[in-house]
Amino acid sequence: DGGITQSPKYLFRKEGQNVTLSCEQNLNHDAMYWYRQDPGQGLRLIYYSQIVNDFQKGDIAEGYSVSREKKESFPLTVTSAQKNPTAFYLCASSLTGTGNPEQFFGPGTRLTVL
Amino acid sequence: AQSVTQPDIHITVSEGASLELRCNYSYGATPYLFWYVQSPGQGLQLLLKYFSGDTLVQGIKGFEAEFKRSQSSFNLRKPSVHWSDAAEYFCAVGAGDSWGKFQFGAGTQVVVTP
Repeated sequence: DGGITQSPKYLFRKEGQNVTLSCEQNLNHDAMYWYRQDPGQGLRLIYYSQIVNDFQKGDIAEGYSVSREKKESFPLTVTSAQKNPTAFYLCASSLTGTGNPEQFFGPGTRLTVL
Repeated sequence: AQSVTQPDIHITVSEGASLELRCNYSYGATPYLFWYVQSPGQGLQLLLKYFSGDTLVQGIKGFEAEFKRSQSSFNLRKPSVHWSDAAEYFCAVGAGDSWGKFQFGAGTQVVVTP
């Protein structure tokens, strides 16, 4: 089955630690995205990537970093510079171009800072 | 830049009753419009989308939405709600001339009572 996988489902971090969230897709989509979800705020875009080895900052990129070494993978690192990292993180992917831009979402990772 | 507003944070509806969720968008050109649903602790699932053509679009799970350009709205409806429709619903708007960055509304939480 084609889809997007995120791991782990739950992640706990001590203050001052970097953590990396995994996102893999087998939909052959060129574009991938990371969102942060907080209660009552909808989804906010952290980073997005259209092609391998290229990515752009979204609306709330500070304290986060990404890489896109493979088309299928778009890991997100939450660094110690992110002051309030406890949230639900969602990865998505889509085709590029104007035909079918809908985004498909993974099941999410809940990050809690202890 | 596009933006989207969901005026209702929380809606309670009786099982079997009709449901309408409001979505207002702001965008200067033809938008791409989407409705997604999210069950607790899960990712987002696409219910329906509008790009062009017929302004009444049908989606999955018996949902439909109507695009009204004059009102900048894209309201979601279901004639008869089932208990399994309890979830959070997100409206999203994308730029009509390219892929990529969506703006999501803050979401509407739907509670279904017996």
